[in-house]
Amino acid sequence: DAGVTQSPTHLIKTRGQQVTLRCSPKSGHDTVSWYQQALGQGPQFIFQYYEEEERQRGNFPDRFSGHQFPNYSSELNVNALLLGDSALYLCASSYGTSGEQFFGPGTRLTVL
Amino acid sequence: DQQVKQNSPSLSVQEGRISILNCDYTNSMFDYFLWYKKYPAEGPTFLISISSIKDKNEDGRFTVFLNKSAKHLSLHIVPSQPGDSAVYFCAASGGNTGFQKLVFGTGTRLLVSP
Repeated sequence: DAGVTQSPTHLIKTRGQQVTLRCSPKSGHDTVSWYQQALGQGPQFIFQYYEEEERQRGNFPDRFSGHQFPNYSSELNVNALLLGDSALYLCASSYGTSGEQFFGPGTRLTVL
Repeated sequence: DQQVKQNSPSLSVQEGRISILNCDYTNSMFDYFLWYKKYPAEGPTFLISISSIKDKNEDGRFTVFLNKSAKHLSLHIVPSQPGDSAVYFCAASGGNTGFQKLVFGTGTRLLVSP
């Protein structure tokens, strides 16, 4: 049984570019949450998707957007990249919006 | 505004001894608290949780204590094992909604030496 998978593993972009990160939830899970973990910090909640809708959002600008597909997989899009967007982006899946969250290994984004 | 704080960036303990990791929070709306463990190149893994209606929860070698009046929780690992060496994150959520919208601390790196 595959756990949460994320792609790509690593990504390098330049300022002003746009990036799309992908997440496949654990089998049987229908909810995906995204977190940003900057160096030396704990993960920070970006948003949560359930039934293909954004259900909750953290304190992140509109440059951060997402999508959930009918198969429950999800994408995180970041526009107009800033140096400060360099971080590990974690995807977590759960059954329902309050279920235990299982995390993927993350995508390391570097913005130059 | 750091609502969940882990003031010890690192902790070193000998194998077999007790490890105590501490966490403080400022938001009184938090009512569900969790500990996650993270190895390098892996995502955080859920370890143990506690609801605000309890003051203690045990799971094998892991025990979490909650002091609501002090807005403080701690994770006790006994006995500590070298495989416990990892970064431990404290997390909290509000509205008694379990794992929803987790707010994490900055983590404590635990090193258990043989």
